[in-house]
Amino acid sequence: EIVLTQSPGTLSVSPGERAALSCRASETVFGNYVAWYQQKPGQAPRLLIYGASTRAAGIPDRFSGRGAGTQFTLIINRLEPDDFALYYCQHYSSSPPWTFGQGSKVEIK
Amino acid sequence: QVQLRESGPGLVKPSQTLSLTCTVSGGFISSAHHQWTWVRQRPGQGLEWIGYISYDGETFYTPSLQSRLLISADESANQFSLTLRSVTAHDTAVYYCARDFRGTVPPHGLDVWGQGIPVTVSS
Repeated sequence: EIVLTQSPGTLSVSPGERAALSCRASETVFGNYVAWYQQKPGQAPRLLIYGASTRAAGIPDRFSGRGAGTQFTLIINRLEPDDFALYYCQHYSSSPPWTFGQGSKVEIK
Repeated sequence: QVQLRESGPGLVKPSQTLSLTCTVSGGFISSAHHQWTWVRQRPGQGLEWIGYISYDGETFYTPSLQSRLLISADESANQFSLTLRSVTAHDTAVYYCARDFRGTVPPHGLDVWGQGIPVTVSS
C-alpha cells in the first residue's frame, strides 16, 4: 500500500500570495496518477488536478500541479479568499487501495 | 451530467450492520470504465478510501475493512451500495460515494462526489 505524506500540515498565507503544498509517496506512483482535491467545511471534496498536472473541468488556472515519481506539488497562485481550505492528494495508480494523504490546511495569515 | 446521492440511516447501533446506498443520475453504473467508490471521513479526520465496484462488477476493498465490507450494485435501480457489518464507534463518519472514471489517460480520479451522509454509531 502506498503511503502519501503531505506537508506542511498547515500553511498560513496572505491573500494574493502563492501557496505550495507537497505530497510525497512511499514508492513510485505509476503513471504519475496523483489527484488533488479541495475540501471546505461541511462540503464534499472537489477534484482540482488529476494525472499530477491536468486541471479538472472548471478549475481556474491559478491552480497547477507538478511532479513525478514520488514527489508531487500543488501550487495555488494569487490566493483568493475562496481558496482557504483543506487540500488532499490521492494516488490512483497500479494496485488499490488508492490512498489519500492526511491533508494540508491553507489558512489566512 | 452525472450526479450522486447517498441515502441510509444516520444512526446505527454498535455491532449492527450499516447499509448505505448511492443513487446515480445522469449516467449509468454500467457505463464502461467507471469505478463507483466509497470514501469516508471520521470526525475531524482526513479522507479514507474504502473501496469500489466497477462497471463490470469487480470489487476491491481497503484491507482494514475487507472482512466486514461488501460493495454491491443494482443496475436496474442504477444504484450501488455499501454494507458494513459489526460496526463500532470507530465507524462513525461522513460517508461519500464518488465516481472514478478510468476511460482516459490519465484517468480522472474521483471527479464526481455525492454530498455525503453522516453516520453515527451509538447505542
